[in-house]
Amino acid sequence: GQQVMQIPQYQHVQEGEDFTTYCNSSITLSNIQWYKQRPGGHPVFLIQLVKSGEVKKQKRLTFQFGEAKKNSSLHITATQTTDVGTYFCTYNFNKFYFGSGTKLNVKP
Amino acid sequence: EAQVTQNPRYLITVTGKKLTVTCSQNMNHEYMSWYRQDPGLGLRQIYYSMNVEVTDKGDVPEGYKVSRKEKRNFPLILESPSPNQTSLYFCASNPSGGSLGGELFFGEGSRLTVL
Repeated sequence: GQQVMQIPQYQHVQEGEDFTTYCNSSITLSNIQWYKQRPGGHPVFLIQLVKSGEVKKQKRLTFQFGEAKKNSSLHITATQTTDVGTYFCTYNFNKFYFGSGTKLNVKP
Repeated sequence: EAQVTQNPRYLITVTGKKLTVTCSQNMNHEYMSWYRQDPGLGLRQIYYSMNVEVTDKGDVPEGYKVSRKEKRNFPLILESPSPNQTSLYFCASNPSGGSLGGELFFGEGSRLTVL
């Protein structure tokens, strides 16, 4: 079925290091969204990308949508302990399809 | 305050005892959905609804029922719960669903344990 593949599944970094998670789709997407779920919390919307090659920034977070609109990435510069959580990508085509998530752990 | 409200937040029950997890949103959203989250499996969609009286199966609908009689409510019904339905459940809503995108608003989650 339609799905997005997200890698890596887990990432452990030292505070201050960078972090990147990737989502890849076999189909062309109309849009892609990113969510963050803190431990014990619920997923919270971060951003939506809709244009080919789009790049958006939120402070230390950089989001990219591939030129072919089949892949996307989330990059965090100089991670902090507050970045700990699971990051999900999702797209919707009649319903929402979620990637499996990347669990980020940041060691202080 | 715009929100999605789930109840109960925590529940321990026994096999076969029917239960309902309620979900209500106050944003007049057309799209509502239920997910279960299990370690290593991410978020898996159970059912979704594009509008009142319209419901569709997600990826893991077995053992669950839903109804959408009103726009604001989307209850998840477990007619005969089994231990493999022990999970963390999330309800979510979106203004329109479809391919228009837009933010999914999640409830706080309901942690269900079936003994």
